[in-house]
Amino acid sequence: DAGVIQSPRHEVTEMGQEVTLRCKPISGHDYLFWYRQTMMRGLELLIYFNNNVPIDDSGMPEDRFSAKMPNASFSTLKIQPSEPRDSAVYFCASNHGGNTGELFFGEGSRLTVL
Amino acid sequence: GENVEQHPSTLSVQEGDSAVIKCTYSDSASNYFPWYKQELGKRPQLIIDIRSNVGEKKDQRIAVTLNKTAKHFSLHITETQPEDSAVYFCAASKAAGNKLTFGGGTRVLVKP
Repeated sequence: DAGVIQSPRHEVTEMGQEVTLRCKPISGHDYLFWYRQTMMRGLELLIYFNNNVPIDDSGMPEDRFSAKMPNASFSTLKIQPSEPRDSAVYFCASNHGGNTGELFFGEGSRLTVL
Repeated sequence: GENVEQHPSTLSVQEGDSAVIKCTYSDSASNYFPWYKQELGKRPQLIIDIRSNVGEKKDQRIAVTLNKTAKHFSLHITETQPEDSAVYFCAASKAAGNKLTFGGGTRVLVKP
């Protein structure tokens, strides 16, 4: 397996624009997580899905953020409208449910909002 | 919810010396404690983990200890090498749902 695949790797956009980040989890993994990483706040869990169903979105900053998982092999994180404080690296990760717990991270999407 | 505190935030050691990073957690129901290493510009990757039925676990030069009574766990790196330079994150979770809460990270610099 190629691992968790994220796109785009880098995104530079202007304030107010819509941003869509994409993730393909490892085949067979039934959990998918979206994390945000900044220097100030570290690694923050935004939302996670189990079998394509959102389980906990308490980390989503505000209504400008939304996430979907229409099928087992694809998820999106959307920010509309984007703001400079959304600048961060967004990681998608996946794993199997159960006691293993190891998270397999994608390479991340570095977002810069000007 | 769970809160994980990690110390120190930065750690500089001489090559060959040991490095110790400590974490505390708040939720006594947590039972899975992994450590992730993140090299500059890369993704976090699991290096070792421990479950609540074990007090210590070793893998070559790294070891993790867990004290459930005190709700703290530590990462020990012996004979540090320059390639150990990275940011290390501790985390804690309960089995159900595998939601991980990360500590703030420790930036380790190994000086040759």
